[in-house]
Amino acid sequence: DIQMTQSPSTLSASVGDRVTITCRASQSISSWLAWYQQKPGKAPKLLISKASTLESGVPSRFSGGGSGTEFTLTISSLQPDDFATYYCQQYYTYWTFGQGTKVEIK
Amino acid sequence: QVQLQESGPGLVKPSQTLSLTCTVSGGSISSGSYYWSWIRQTAGKGLEWIGRIYTSGNTDYNPSLKSRVTISVDTSKNQFSLNLRSVTAADTAVYYCARGTNRYCDSNSCYGWFDPWGQGTLVTVSS
Repeated sequence: DIQMTQSPSTLSASVGDRVTITCRASQSISSWLAWYQQKPGKAPKLLISKASTLESGVPSRFSGGGSGTEFTLTISSLQPDDFATYYCQQYYTYWTFGQGTKVEIK
Repeated sequence: QVQLQESGPGLVKPSQTLSLTCTVSGGSISSGSYYWSWIRQTAGKGLEWIGRIYTSGNTDYNPSLKSRVTISVDTSKNQFSLNLRSVTAADTAVYYCARGTNRYCDSNSCYGWFDPWGQGTLVTVSS
C-alpha cells in the first residue's frame, strides 16, 4: 500500500496569509496526485489533479506542486471561504488519501 | 452536469449486510470512459477507497475489504450499488459514491481522480 502523510494536521492562519500544506508519499507516485477541499457535512471537492492542474472554477490563489514523493498545496492569500480541511490523494496504484489538514482561523 | 446521490438504510445491525445505492443523474452512467466508486470516511481512518466498477461489470476492491464487498451496476436504472457483508461497529462511516476518471494506466489497470462525489450518507452499525 502507498501511504500518504500530510503535514501539518492543523494549521491556524489569518485571512490574507499564504499557507502551504505538504503531502508525502511512501514511494514515488510521479505526478499522480489530487487535492480536495472538504467543508463540514459536505463531500470532498476536487481542486487540483496531476499534482498541479487547477480544476475549472477553482480560484487561482490555489496552486499545487511537486512530484515523486513530495507535494505541496499552497493558498497564496487565504480567504474566508478557504477555511476547511484539505486532503491529498494518490492514484498511482489504487487510491489512498492523506489524513487531512484542517485550516482554521487564527 | 452529472450528479450522484446515495440512498439506503442509515442503521444496520452487526453481522448484517450494509446495502447502498448510488443514482446518477444528469448523464448516462454508460457514457464516457469512467468508473464508479464507493469511498467511506470515518473519524478514525479518514477517507478509505472501498471499490470501483466499470459499466462493463469489471470491478476492483480494496484488499482490506475485498472478502466482504460486492459492487454491482444497473445501467438501465443509471445506478450502482454497494453490499458490505458481516458489518461491525468499525464499518460505521459516511459512505460516498463518486465518479472516477481514467488518467493513468499501468500494465494492469487505470486510475484517476474522483469527481463528482455524492453528498454522502451516514451509516451506523449498531444493535
